[in-house]
Amino acid sequence: DAGVTQSPTHLIKTRGQHVTLRCSPISGHKSVSWYQQVLGQGPQFIFQYYEKEERGRGNFPDRFSARQFPNYSSELNVNALLLGDSALYLCASSLWWNTEAFFGQGTRLTVV
Amino acid sequence: GQQLNQSPQSMFIQEGEDVSMNCTSSSIFNTWLWYKQDPGEGPVLLIALYKAGELTSNGRLTAQFGITRKDSFLNISASIPSDVGIYFCAGPDSGYALNFGKGTSLLVTP
Repeated sequence: DAGVTQSPTHLIKTRGQHVTLRCSPISGHKSVSWYQQVLGQGPQFIFQYYEKEERGRGNFPDRFSARQFPNYSSELNVNALLLGDSALYLCASSLWWNTEAFFGQGTRLTVV
Repeated sequence: GQQLNQSPQSMFIQEGEDVSMNCTSSSIFNTWLWYKQDPGEGPVLLIALYKAGELTSNGRLTAQFGITRKDSFLNISASIPSDVGIYFCAGPDSGYALNFGKGTSLLVTP
């Protein structure tokens, strides 16, 4: 079975631009969460979606938004990129909202 | 979210040695998860713990859910070079977010 897949794997953007990251969960999983991981730190929670509704939001500015589609895939959008947004963005899927999370390989975003 | 404290921050051991690391929180968790992350990859779930006092094994890995529900331990027996990586503990808060520690970096020399 395919695990969590994320695209693209690497991305370079300029300050002020917009970026969209994509995630396909494990088949049958209904919950998708997004995390930001900067070098030397553990992942930080950004959003969780369950059954296409936002169920949780971390301490991130409104420049960050996400959505979940009827097929349970998800997009993370970041507007007005800052240099500090450079990080590994991880998507995790869970069967339900409160079960163990399985992570994708991440998207490495570099803002220059 | 709550901050989890992992120790040690890093370990440098020889192949064949046993490893022990732990994770503490100021808050109670009902679930503890242990992940391993290789450079440039996403975290991989190693062990999930759901009950205080629970001891669970996965091959050479053993993890325990502390009785106070504020701590957890991960042990690796007879380490091998492929055990190299960063080990994270994580616990869900009352909402839906996983809180992660800063990780324990493990280096294994042949």
